Amino acid sequence: EAGVAQSPRYKIIEKRQSVAFWCNPISGHATLYWYQQILGQGPKLLIQFQNNGVVDDSQLPKDRFSAERLKGVDSTLKIQPAKLEDSAVYLCASSFGLAVLYEQYFGPGTRLTVT
Amino acid sequence: RKEVEQDPGPFNVPEGATVAFNCTYSNSASQSFFWYRQDCRKEPKLLMSVYSSGNEDGRFTAQLNRASQYISLLIRDSKLSDSATYLCVVNLGLGAGGGNKLTFGTGTQLKVEL
Repeated sequence: EAGVAQSPRYKIIEKRQSVAFWCNPISGHATLYWYQQILGQGPKLLIQFQNNGVVDDSQLPKDRFSAERLKGVDSTLKIQPAKLEDSAVYLCASSFGLAVLYEQYFGPGTRLTVT
Repeated sequence: RKEVEQDPGPFNVPEGATVAFNCTYSNSASQSFFWYRQDCRKEPKLLMSVYSSGNEDGRFTAQLNRASQYISLLIRDSKLSDSATYLCVVNLGLGAGGGNKLTFGTGTQLKVEL
């Protein structure tokens, strides 16, 4: 079974530029998550989708971050404009559903460096 | 206070040693508990769920103490391949409006040496 796919794997941009990340979840998984992992820390949830609706975006810095999952499958996360502190690995995860019994599977992540 | 607290380590142990990691969480409404493993520059992967009754998977034993809000992971007979960062994870669950939101600790780094 194919896992969660993410692209690009690496991205280097200058501050104030824009960047977008793409995620394709495991087939059939209704729930999709975006996490930010800063070096030396655990992943932090940014936004959670159930199909094409947002379940939780309380930790998403909405002044610069946006995410969408228009058709309930693939998702994109955008940062505009980027700041130095946005340097991190952006992990996408998916699960079959919202219930805690459903394991979350993580993609390989996109490593963002903002200079 | 952080929602999930762990000793960051690193723990450097010889092969064959027994090592224990501890974790505390702040929200008493938390419903589910896990240990994830993360290899260097890789994504986190579920190692095991943690239950109040304690659970074992081969050389790994996890324990939950709800009264103390404390989670532990014991690794027996450490292997070189156990070298990784171990993340303590808590889930508030749907009932608390948390969806399936995982809250991660900062992780504890383990290095198993010859």
